[in-house]
Amino acid sequence: ETGVTQTPRHLVMGMTNKKSLKCEQHLGHNAMYWYKQSAKKPLELMFVYSLEERVENNSVPSRFSPECPNSSHLFLHLHTLQPEDSALYLCASSQDRPFLSLAGGIYNEQFFGPGTRLTVL
Amino acid sequence: GESVGLHLPTLSVQEGDNSIINCAYSNSASDYFIWYKQESGKGPQFIIDIRSNMDKRQGQRVTVLLNKTVKHLSLQIAATQPGDSAVYFCAEKEQNFVFGPGTRLSVLP
Repeated sequence: ETGVTQTPRHLVMGMTNKKSLKCEQHLGHNAMYWYKQSAKKPLELMFVYSLEERVENNSVPSRFSPECPNSSHLFLHLHTLQPEDSALYLCASSQDRPFLSLAGGIYNEQFFGPGTRLTVL
Repeated sequence: GESVGLHLPTLSVQEGDNSIINCAYSNSASDYFIWYKQESGKGPQFIIDIRSNMDKRQGQRVTVLLNKTVKHLSLQIAATQPGDSAVYFCAEKEQNFVFGPGTRLSVLP
């Protein structure tokens, strides 16, 4: 257990459906992330939230809409998805946005949830 | 044509042997690197990190080597165990993290 939970673990949806993915972290972290891991590409960063404010949007299509109502919860709202959006969607959290400490070493390690396996038909 | 999926390189090692997993990174300005382990059905798990002002860092049974000249990172696992079987991938950080495709490590009994 990493302290980051995701629901549902598996989701099958049609292209006209609207669904939401939920992530919750129990670590007291301030930053949360959505990543996409597909069969065809390495892990890709989608969104970064720091203190409930979106600070990064990596050219993600508008059919993916994130929401961060508080520092412990992160949602990814899905609508009119395409079959190529089928992937493992991973949530992660870290104490703060990644940066290096002045003293060096590990800093702002990201803790990942188990992911939601999404299939779009 | 379009590829069916990522073809992950696979490394098969005998239990008890040492494993070396390699990663080529792309950005010479990257200043921080991490190795992750991802077991089947789980999210990535941090293993070890290294800053660009270092060329070697050791953890428990793992060592990361950084060669900035050729932009190469390696992960060495000593006395590989069955529980080490997973996909391993590196990440480089400039502003945010960019992840490599990964290598599948298979430990043979």
